[in-house]
Amino acid sequence: EAGVTQFPSHSVIEKGQTVTLRCDPISGHDNLYWYRRVMGKEIKFLLHFVKESKQDESGMPNNRFLAERTGGTYSTLKVQPAELEDSGVYFCASSHGTLIGTDTQYFGPGTRLTVL
Amino acid sequence: DQQVKQNSPSLSVQEGRISILNCDYTNSMFDYFLWYKKYPAEGPTFLISISSIKDKNEDGRFTVFLNKSAKHLSLHIVPSQPGDSAVYFCAASARTGNQFYFGTGTSLTVIP
Repeated sequence: EAGVTQFPSHSVIEKGQTVTLRCDPISGHDNLYWYRRVMGKEIKFLLHFVKESKQDESGMPNNRFLAERTGGTYSTLKVQPAELEDSGVYFCASSHGTLIGTDTQYFGPGTRLTVL
Repeated sequence: DQQVKQNSPSLSVQEGRISILNCDYTNSMFDYFLWYKKYPAEGPTFLISISSIKDKNEDGRFTVFLNKSAKHLSLHIVPSQPGDSAVYFCAASARTGNQFYFGTGTSLTVIP
């Protein structure tokens, strides 16, 4: 079974540009999460999809970030326009269900975003 | 406002000895706790978890202890092996929510 995949693995862009990150969850997982880790800090929750619907987007930093999951399969996270403080590693995770204690979140390898 | 804290950024342990990684939390609503392990250039991998109804959970060389009154949990690895060298993240959640709250991680180095 393939794990969670993310593309690209690295992205270097200039301030003001747009970047789109992609996440492919494990097949059959309805739940998809985005997290971000700024260097040396904690992994922080951004948002949670159940199928194509946003269940919780309380962690999204501001309206420069737009996440979509059309069709309930893969998800994209667009940052437009990018700012210096957006640099970090963006992780995607997926789970079959949402029952805390039994539904493990499986993480992808992350996309390292550097904004210059 | 960080709700899960790992105050030791790094830890070095000799192979064969015990590794103890610590984690503190502030939110009394948290009732499920996890440890994730992360190698460089990879995503975090689930290691072990514990529910608030227990104070200990063991899986092979890994044991997690929970002290609810102190809002503290720890991960014990015995015996430590060089392959255990990684960053370990503590995470917590409340059954009423779906998001995990992570700590900043502790980098464990097991010296052969």
